Amino acid sequence: DSGVTQTPKHLITATGQRVTLRCSPRSGDLSVYWYQQSLDQGLQFLIQYYNGEERAKGNILERFSAQQFPDLHSELNLSSLELGDSALYFCASSGGTSGRDEQYFGPGTRLTVT
Amino acid sequence: DAKTTQPNSMESNEEEPVHLPCNHSTISGTDYIHWYRQLPSQGPEYVIHGLTSNVNNRMASLAIAEDRKSSTLILHRATLRDAAVYYCILRDPNTGNQFYFGTGTSLTVIP
Repeated sequence: DSGVTQTPKHLITATGQRVTLRCSPRSGDLSVYWYQQSLDQGLQFLIQYYNGEERAKGNILERFSAQQFPDLHSELNLSSLELGDSALYFCASSGGTSGRDEQYFGPGTRLTVT
Repeated sequence: DAKTTQPNSMESNEEEPVHLPCNHSTISGTDYIHWYRQLPSQGPEYVIHGLTSNVNNRMASLAIAEDRKSSTLILHRATLRDAAVYYCILRDPNTGNQFYFGTGTSLTVIP
């Protein structure tokens, strides 16, 4: 158990819909990262937040957005969903932003778009 | 994002040592070398990291070449639970420390 929790575990929705994925970081961790893992693209970094502020952006689509709240939990919002958005979405947390910092990954949310 | 190159797959017999190689010829002076593994149906799990010197922990050892252009993850005695995809990742503190995962090495452990 990494200490990172993600809800829901599974989500099935239709194309065009909007969903929200939730992540609670390990106690005390200020950084939250979101990743997408699909069969054809592997693990892709989406976005990072540190103590409520966006720190870095990766391959995140404009239809996707995220935020980190004062209690440090984070939400990833996916809108206008397409079949290709079906994937595993992982959240990770770390204590800070140093290159030494380990990232602790949650169990993931499996999104299926039909 | 700095790139790493790993073999797609490797096999090892149970209870034998495993050496997983990684090439990172474009590594910069500030990049940390991290190794993570992903067991089936789970999120990635931290294994070990280093900057210049070899590192040991309870899970594995990390051997870093003197020029830092390559590294090797060493599992001292492979068990069936070590069957996973192993990712070698470079983290640059100057660009936010996000991970860029490559394709990794899929390790099969043969009983």
